[in-house]
Amino acid sequence: DAGITQSPRHKVTETGTPVTLRCHQTENHRYMYWYRQDPGHGLRLIHYSYGVKDTDKGEVSDGYSVSRSKTEDFLLTLESATSSQTSVYFCAISIGTVDNSPLHFGNGTRLTVT
Amino acid sequence: AQKVTQAQTEISVVEKEDVTLDCVYETRDTTYYLFWYKQPPSGELVFLIRRNSFDEQNEISGRYSWNFQKSTSSFNFTITASQVVDSAVYFCALSDPENTGNQFYFGTGTSLTVIP
Repeated sequence: DAGITQSPRHKVTETGTPVTLRCHQTENHRYMYWYRQDPGHGLRLIHYSYGVKDTDKGEVSDGYSVSRSKTEDFLLTLESATSSQTSVYFCAISIGTVDNSPLHFGNGTRLTVT
Repeated sequence: AQKVTQAQTEISVVEKEDVTLDCVYETRDTTYYLFWYKQPPSGELVFLIRRNSFDEQNEISGRYSWNFQKSTSSFNFTITASQVVDSAVYFCALSDPENTGNQFYFGTGTSLTVIP
């Protein structure tokens, strides 16, 4: 168990509202990631972090922002949710002492934007 | 260009048959890492294997085996004597640190159904 908690697990929100998803880890691992999973697209990287206040964009970062003020928390914010952001969101951490160690995932957050 | 291609979208096999899931990757790095993940119907993503580019030995773990061939840029996954519990979506992934740091790129997944 990599000690990753995502909250909330499910959320329904309306178009145009801000939404924040939280990823919490208990192990102080350096790398954290946010992915979205959509049918036909697999898992696509939104943003990732390589340390406190160190973040970078992934391939589908438009419309999303992130923050990491503490090692254990990585927040994903949809500033103004759109229906195209309806998806399952997974947080992941890279564990172990070597970079490119395998990712371990949280249980996901199912977000529906109506 | 897509870095990881899983051309098989869906596969169905009858229990006890062998099945191979294909994964083709693209990178210019000499050092890179390949992974397989399993996503059962319950939805969690489970790490199965990690392989670095310098280790071309095939690996076997119980009914699972992996065939890494740099010459064809492939990292295929075979399940021998499939079981219903193998029904899941399987993802292949690539990390090429020289090119993109610590990012991981996933294929679109192959949905495997094992029919009892």
